[in-house]
Amino acid sequence: EVQLVESGGGLVKPGGSLRLSCAASGFTFSSYNMNWVRQAPGKGLEWVSSISSTSSYIYYADSLKGRFTISRDNAKNSLYLQMNSLRAEDTAVYYCARESGGDYDYWGQGTLVTVSS
Amino acid sequence: QSVLTQPPSVSGAPGQRVTISCTGSSSNIGAGYDVHWYQQLPGTAPKLLIYGNTNRPSGVPDRFSGSKSGTSASLAITGLQAEDEAHYYCQSYDSSLSGSVVFGGGTKLTVL
Repeated sequence: EVQLVESGGGLVKPGGSLRLSCAASGFTFSSYNMNWVRQAPGKGLEWVSSISSTSSYIYYADSLKGRFTISRDNAKNSLYLQMNSLRAEDTAVYYCARESGGDYDYWGQGTLVTVSS
Repeated sequence: QSVLTQPPSVSGAPGQRVTISCTGSSSNIGAGYDVHWYQQLPGTAPKLLIYGNTNRPSGVPDRFSGSKSGTSASLAITGLQAEDEAHYYCQSYDSSLSGSVVFGGGTKLTVL
């Protein structure tokens, strides 16, 4: 059974940093591109970042302006999102999602990041 | 303002048919990129409902169907059931954006 389990969310002050993790199991992690998608409270889905299976290709949403860094460790079946210079507008549930042919066929349960003083 | 435009809400009575539109442009849907649809029940993560414009993953009832034409796509739900009440999102790619992944703003389906 495919499972994606996010962790690392929490309350952080504006300007602070946070590192999210996503533990994958039930599939060959190193064969899939992975993504982070976020959802602000009461809002829609927003794509954040993607990383190819071998980390050769990395993309970010323009709105992030270099503050976030995606990475992965295929030996540990894990996906990460380093978030720096956090702002109130980064408050959201962050989902990791497996990419399959352009769609996201499996999603984690999400981890809530709250940026507030 | 989402790159893909969806109606904020639709509604229908049990047993009826509803459609949800997803309107894009020549740099995304009109450029030939596939459209995918997700269902998000209250308090849960999104779930893939339709992939590659018209395909249903295993386990998705055939009451759900997708179509695409020109710069738009649609999700149709027939035989509406109370359990279909959820938010629905379309997703595609856009050649004018870095990274390119775009979502619609989402549509809340209410079963009357």
